[in-house]
Amino acid sequence: DAKTTQPTSMDCAEGRAANLPCNHSTISGNEYVYWYRQIHSQGPQYIIHGLKNNETNEMASLIITEDRKSSTLILPHATLRDTAVYYCIVRPYPNFGNEKLTFGTGTRLTIIP
Amino acid sequence: KAGVTQTPRYLIKTRGQQVTLSCSPISGHRSVSWYQQTPGQGLQFLFEYFSETQRNKGNFPGRFSGRQFSNSRSEMNVSTLELGDSALYLCASSLAGRQTTEAFFGQGTRLTVV
Repeated sequence: DAKTTQPTSMDCAEGRAANLPCNHSTISGNEYVYWYRQIHSQGPQYIIHGLKNNETNEMASLIITEDRKSSTLILPHATLRDTAVYYCIVRPYPNFGNEKLTFGTGTRLTIIP
Repeated sequence: KAGVTQTPRYLIKTRGQQVTLSCSPISGHRSVSWYQQTPGQGLQFLFEYFSETQRNKGNFPGRFSGRQFSNSRSEMNVSTLELGDSALYLCASSLAGRQTTEAFFGQGTRLTVV
């Protein structure tokens, strides 16, 4: 799986958009970008995933650059409950029966009141 | 629909003992994966089971083992516990199959070895 690089920590004011970057310069053409988050002492929670087009769901938006070497997760109106560690992961598609997720160190996002 | 259920939530064991952790996946999910999370090593993949067979294995010693039952429920076992086995153990389930799908995690079992 491709390696990802994320900033160690970020702060964001409550109500503002939180933009979390991820670098995956060695991503292969058949690899998706996935985002998970982990709120303190809970299991990771799936947020969103994408291949090359921008994606949006009820939780967040995912912007993937045209060369696919980086992406940005956007939480449009951050709340205190969005304080968590956010993980960017790349996974092959199809996964040929490999459900393994390789977690890096992630970005610790703190929402400031 | 019920989520992934892990039991017990907390466990305290003594060095040298063994422990069994349980995971009930989301109904219909056939793949169950286990992860260990420690402050020093982060989230690390232990193994994955699909249709009662171990498909993938991480880099952990043989003291760590698991199994999956016909109803997709899974257990993991750690024998001869060491202090370093203290961790949050997380279970994830997914539909699996040919398409890449998201994994859903349980709340984890916090194991403390004393």
